[in-house]
Amino acid sequence: KAGVTQTPRYLIKTRGQQVTLSCSPISGHRSVSWYQQTPGQGLQFLFEYFSETQRNKGNFPGRFSGRQFSNSRSEMNVSTLELGDSALYLCASSERSGTTSHEQFFGPGTRLTVL
Amino acid sequence: TQLLEQSPQFLSIQEGENLTVYCNSSSVFSSLQWYRQEPGEGPVLLVTVVTGGEVKKLKRLTFQFGDARKDSSLHITAAQPGDTGLYLCAGGPMDSNYQLIWGAGTKLIIKP
Repeated sequence: KAGVTQTPRYLIKTRGQQVTLSCSPISGHRSVSWYQQTPGQGLQFLFEYFSETQRNKGNFPGRFSGRQFSNSRSEMNVSTLELGDSALYLCASSERSGTTSHEQFFGPGTRLTVL
Repeated sequence: TQLLEQSPQFLSIQEGENLTVYCNSSSVFSSLQWYRQEPGEGPVLLVTVVTGGEVKKLKRLTFQFGDARKDSSLHITAAQPGDTGLYLCAGGPMDSNYQLIWGAGTKLIIKP
């Protein structure tokens, strides 16, 4: 099976702009989670989508939003970008919700730089 | 709030040495996973342990889940430069509707 893909891999934006990141999960995986990773804060959970519904949400402002489509592909959007939004944004897919192991498979990430 | 404390945060050792990374919590987990992440890439799942006391080996890496399912350790024997990376542990909550609980990571550097 093909792995998790994320586009774009690199992105440079300026403060105040908005950005949309895309994630295609492993075929058959219905759960998609998004994370923000920075050197100082580590891996921070943004939100999880399962069957087009947001199931869990981390402690991020409303500028961060996401959605999931019927084919399980997911997008996340960040509006009114701030310098502190510069980070590696990771998408992870899981086989199904409710599994005991909660194993997640990550994409390569999108490196976002806000100038 | 469930927390997973990982130690040490940073470790730099010579090739051939042994090391152990710890992941501790006061909470019980349904499973414990270990991931390795290389710069500019996403974390890659190394192993999942689900039974208290379980030990799994992956070549020179030995993973153990505590008897009470509250802690885990990763032991590397005769470390190699290829083992360099960020090691992350993640605990599966008892309620499967909730998210994984992540440790802050251990940055490991193996010097040739």
